[in-house]
Amino acid sequence: DAGVIQSPRHEVTEMGQEVTLRCKPISGHNSLFWYRQTMMRGLELLIYFNNNVPIDDSGMPEDRFSAKMPNASFSTLKIQPSEPRDSAVYFCASSLALSDSYSNQPQHFGDGTRLSIL
Amino acid sequence: SQQGEEDPQALSIQEGENATMNCSYKTSINNLQWYRQNSGRGLVHLILIRSNEREKHSGRLRVTLDTSKKSSSLLITASRAADTASYFCATDQDNAGNMLTFGGGTRLMVKP
Repeated sequence: DAGVIQSPRHEVTEMGQEVTLRCKPISGHNSLFWYRQTMMRGLELLIYFNNNVPIDDSGMPEDRFSAKMPNASFSTLKIQPSEPRDSAVYFCASSLALSDSYSNQPQHFGDGTRLSIL
Repeated sequence: SQQGEEDPQALSIQEGENATMNCSYKTSINNLQWYRQNSGRGLVHLILIRSNEREKHSGRLRVTLDTSKKSSSLLITASRAADTASYFCATDQDNAGNMLTFGGGTRLMVKP
């Protein structure tokens, strides 16, 4: 089975440019998560979707960040304009959320996009 | 603030030895999960333990959960060089849907 697929794997761009990260979750999963990982701050949840609807975006750093999930098989995280402090590894993860939160399943991660803003 | 905090932050052992990592958390949970991350890769789920369970095994992994102390431990027995990775605990929170909060991780190095 295909896992979570992220693209690109690496992105290097100059500050001020727009950056778009892409994610294809595992088929059948109904929850999708965007994380950011840095040495200083560890793994931070940016936003999560349930059934394509954003549920919690309190982790989105500022208005320069936006995320969409137009359908169950695709999501994007956009940074516009990008800044050097946005440099990090961005992960997408998906899981199957059940109505009973006690029974929720583990999250499956993609291999991330390593973003460098010069 | 982070819900889960791992201890130690880094651990170096010889192949064949056991490795123990600990995790503490702050609020009530439905379940606690452990993940592994190899360098340059995404996190991989290892094991999930529910709040009404005290111990769980999976191969060379043993996880314990003490809800009264809000702590968990991950034991890797007979470690191998291939176990070298970072290990994270993650907790959900009661009534928080299926969001997880990850700790800072333990970097494990197993020397051959």
